[in-house]
Amino acid sequence: GAVVSQHPSWVICKSGTSVKIECRSLDFQATTMFWYRQFPKQSLMLMATSNEGSKATYEQGVEKDKFLINHASLTLSTLTVTSAHPEDSSFYICSAREGSRDSYEQYFGPGTRLTVT
Amino acid sequence: QKEVEQDPGPLSVPEGAIVSLNCTYSNSAFQYFMWYRQYSRKGPELLMYTYSSGNKEDGRFTAQVDKSSKYISLFIRDSQPSDSATYLCAMSARQGAQKLVFGQGTRLTINP
Repeated sequence: GAVVSQHPSWVICKSGTSVKIECRSLDFQATTMFWYRQFPKQSLMLMATSNEGSKATYEQGVEKDKFLINHASLTLSTLTVTSAHPEDSSFYICSAREGSRDSYEQYFGPGTRLTVT
Repeated sequence: QKEVEQDPGPLSVPEGAIVSLNCTYSNSAFQYFMWYRQYSRKGPELLMYTYSSGNKEDGRFTAQVDKSSKYISLFIRDSQPSDSATYLCAMSARQGAQKLVFGQGTRLTINP
């Protein structure tokens, strides 16, 4: 089956620093990758959609200058949380969709737990 | 009003019971309906996918969609302790749609 990995699986950083999270599709080419945020006992909220080689599309209310997304290749997307604050502490999950635009299935990574102190 | 409503639970049932999980939605444009299972501190995995109205069965799992009522269900037969997880419904308007809208998730515990 299609596998998506995320690195790191958890990270603790100090307020004001930046953190980079990687999302990789291991055995398929992901033309589209999605970044979600999940607060405790809440659902997944889509933050942004990125297509390989183009700028990410951000959901309403998500600061594009704070959450920098780069989808440089068909197997790698990165999310950088800049100038992190404690309220950015959350579970960040990426997903990837393979090839065809008609494909419905998104394969999810295991998530990255970010704690900002 | 949220686009997708799902009772967060928690729901606790004995092993072997039939479990019924449900979501309601308000956007009549939704055509594609999915159920994901998420174990603690893990990413979601796709369980079932259905298009439009009707039933779909896969082993112990049955997904039902009633578009007239804007209501979808997931049934789990012969529930096992390993089924203990959070179940999220998700839906989209087009097959190739970029955006999935998720329910809040229902936390399920199957007691041995």
